Amino acid sequence: DTGVSQNPRHKITKRGQNVTFRCDPISEHNRLYWYRQTLGQGPEFLTYFQNEAQLEKSRLLSDRFSAERPKGSFSTLEIQRTEQGDSAMYLCASSPRGGGQGYGYTFGSGTRLTVV
Amino acid sequence: GESVGLHLPTLSVQEGDNSIINCAYSNSASDYFIWYKQESGKGPQFIIDIRSNMDKRQGQRVTVLLNKTVKHLSLQIAATQPGDSAVYFCAESGNAGNMLTFGGGTRLMVKP
Repeated sequence: DTGVSQNPRHKITKRGQNVTFRCDPISEHNRLYWYRQTLGQGPEFLTYFQNEAQLEKSRLLSDRFSAERPKGSFSTLEIQRTEQGDSAMYLCASSPRGGGQGYGYTFGSGTRLTVV
Repeated sequence: GESVGLHLPTLSVQEGDNSIINCAYSNSASDYFIWYKQESGKGPQFIIDIRSNMDKRQGQRVTVLLNKTVKHLSLQIAATQPGDSAVYFCAESGNAGNMLTFGGGTRLMVKP
């Protein structure tokens, strides 16, 4: 396991279509996070899971967004009825359960979504 | 690769010089701070972190300073190298690292 893996790396979709992204975290990490990053900005928190439980969701996560982590391992992020404003880099990160310095919060390389 | 941060503040330094990147945070309840490096087309890469009960922490060629009085964080890179060229973000958390709030980022350009 060499890190957090995200697929696909790039996705171009037409407005109104649904898209799904996948994240495979570091295997021993039980926390998984989704962030969104637009050009010129830092990443913005969307949601996080501890094992299979989704514990926190940002107000940025509208009703068109849904995230799952059914077996506490990989996670999917689905966007329904995509809009041009959804165009961004979607980043996944994972960490072991917190405590101490160096939480090992590791990001993947992201999925770049372009809605045309 | 795709550029990260087209309109970010830019710090330009000569190779071999020391770099200092600054960050102001707003939440006085934040107790954990991280510096990340992000290269084009890649996710943020962890550099160094610090808890609020410390004011300085050193890593390999990097030092993070935390001033809680003025809510200021800085990253010092010694002997800056071309490979250090990237966008640097500070991030803070007030709940043991569950959710990170990122600052706006600074682009570091290292001139050979």
